[in-house]
Amino acid sequence: DAKTTQPPSMDCAEGRAANLPCNHSTISGNEYVYWYRQIHSQGPQYIIHGLKNNETNEMASLIITEDRKSSTLILPHATLRDTAVYYCIVRVSGSARQLTFGSGTQLTVLP
Amino acid sequence: EAGVAQSPRYKIIEKRQSVAFWCNPISGHATLYWYQQILGQGPKLLIQFQNNGVVDDSQLPKDRFSAERLKGVDSTLKIQPAKLEDSAVYLCASSLYVNTGELFFGEGSRLTVL
Repeated sequence: DAKTTQPPSMDCAEGRAANLPCNHSTISGNEYVYWYRQIHSQGPQYIIHGLKNNETNEMASLIITEDRKSSTLILPHATLRDTAVYYCIVRVSGSARQLTFGSGTQLTVLP
Repeated sequence: EAGVAQSPRYKIIEKRQSVAFWCNPISGHATLYWYQQILGQGPKLLIQFQNNGVVDDSQLPKDRFSAERLKGVDSTLKIQPAKLEDSAVYLCASSLYVNTGELFFGEGSRLTVL
């Protein structure tokens, strides 16, 4: 699976959009981008995933660049409860091989 | 819908002792995973089951770790004997299918080895 690079930490003001970047320059054509988050003392939680089109759900939006070498997870109106470690993971479509987590980005939402 | 249940939440043991963790996945989920998360790191897959068969145990330290999933539902992860470096959170996850990336995680079992 392709390696991902994320900033170790970011801050965001409450109520503002949080934009979390991820670089996956070696991604292959059959690899999806997944985002998970982990709130302190909890297990990781699935957020969203995509292949090449932008995706949106009730939690977030995922913007993938046209060359697929990077993506951005957007939390449109961040709240204090969004403070967590956010993991960007690349995974081969339809594979039984499971998620390989990196160190993620610690997002701190400030009041 | 009930989530993934794990127990115990916390366990403190001395090195060379043994410990076991239990996981009950979401009903109907055929695939079950055990991950190890050391402080400050992302989770690392230890073993993956499809029903009661092992799909991947390549990162399981088999000299001291064992896991089973009898009857394809509950699972137990055992460490014997424990080492200091086994101090970590042990996360259980389940998914409906083996080839999906949407996993549902439990809250984890925090192990401290003294």
